[in-house]
Amino acid sequence: QKEVEQNSGPLSVPEGAIASLNCTYSDRGSQSFFWYRQYSGKSPELIMFIYSNGDKEDGRFTAQLNKASQYVSLLIRDSQPSDSATYLCAVNKGSQGNLIFGKGTKLSVKP
Amino acid sequence: GAVVSQHPSWVICKSGTSVKIECRSLDFQATTMFWYRQFPKQSLMLMATSNEGSKATYEQGVEKDKFLINHASLTLSTLTVTSAHPEDSSFYICSALRQGVLGYTFGSGTRLTVV
Repeated sequence: QKEVEQNSGPLSVPEGAIASLNCTYSDRGSQSFFWYRQYSGKSPELIMFIYSNGDKEDGRFTAQLNKASQYVSLLIRDSQPSDSATYLCAVNKGSQGNLIFGKGTKLSVKP
Repeated sequence: GAVVSQHPSWVICKSGTSVKIECRSLDFQATTMFWYRQFPKQSLMLMATSNEGSKATYEQGVEKDKFLINHASLTLSTLTVTSAHPEDSSFYICSALRQGVLGYTFGSGTRLTVV
């Protein structure tokens, strides 16, 4: 089982819809969870991080964490074409540890 | 906010030559930096963890004699790809960890093409 798994997509949603991205992880010792957005040919940029069970909202983005089920998700409300990118889920085991990345989910928002 | 500067952004080199990539933290001291490699349509794979003033820790399967990492100061880490071959062509990205701050700041990446 891979450490961090994501559906590679592509996930296609119409403009204005909610995009839902999911991620599962295998190590129950993971403590911090991150969502990065990566445009083609660019380096990842941090969207959100979460470390407590429940929801965390930041603007149009909501991260959800369920440690018992070992999944973390990202919801993007009012999706825009500019949101079209690959979304990477990453986890680490502690504040000083390295990040383990999933393969990413490619999101396409159609105008 | 934390900024990590990575140079060069792209480089083309001949097979057998060496290439150095620099990663600088501009407004903070980075005791730990990470080097990743990303092949097309693949995820970021951690190559090594670089700690200031000590030897880098390499991931399994990464040749430490081929990918030389130097972290001589709190603001600079370098990755040198020695005797580069076409299969080393990839997108190399550094990331810095800022103490007391969750989240990692990535450099802009270096596209290496070995011909």
